[in-house]
Amino acid sequence: KQEVTQIPAALSVPEGENLVLNCSFTDSAIYNLQWFRQDPGKGLTSLLLIQSSQREQTSGRLNASLDKSSGRSTLYIAASQPGDSATYLCAVRRTGRRALTFGSGTRLQVQP
Amino acid sequence: NAGVTQTPKFRILKIGQSMTLQCTQDMNHNYMYWYRQDPGMGLKLIYYSVGAGITDKGEVPNGYNVSRSTTEDFPLRLELAAPSQTSVYFCASRPDRPDTEAFFGQGTRLTVV
Repeated sequence: KQEVTQIPAALSVPEGENLVLNCSFTDSAIYNLQWFRQDPGKGLTSLLLIQSSQREQTSGRLNASLDKSSGRSTLYIAASQPGDSATYLCAVRRTGRRALTFGSGTRLQVQP
Repeated sequence: NAGVTQTPKFRILKIGQSMTLQCTQDMNHNYMYWYRQDPGMGLKLIYYSVGAGITDKGEVPNGYNVSRSTTEDFPLRLELAAPSQTSVYFCASRPDRPDTEAFFGQGTRLTVV
């Protein structure tokens, strides 16, 4: 069974800091990994999708890396802003499975 | 495109009542999913469908039913609501190809009292 863990569960940083969110998964046989953002009381917004054959993906100030062999992904946020405050979820789709398995998320607070 | 649309956004049910959570997508995706999210937790899969007429159980299907009569719609039915079903429910869809991303609706917040 695939298990996805996100550490830390919560993080508070001052504005302008660069930060890293971690995601680990137990089964390395995956199709892809997706990072989402969730604002309080809202749905999920897809941030980045990394295929199993890729090492990283970038979108603006966000960079996600994937090390499939060690079962890890990181989401790097550069020059954090108060508007980045949200919960960040990672999810993996295991090979042969049709649905995503989610981590519990990291709740990020960026202090002005 | 509207994407994935869920209705209602909020609902309060009494124990034992029934209701249907609606989900529709306009992207012609064959794959559709229902997840629930409990406070402070990730999403858990309830049911999914790979196309019209085909559904299958996920990780937490007890107390729920689904149907898929069209590509666009994937309703989730709660027959006898219980307090344990208090949660936020998300519908999602994606295309057939395994390397594609999933798109999520805005969620339905359900409280059973």
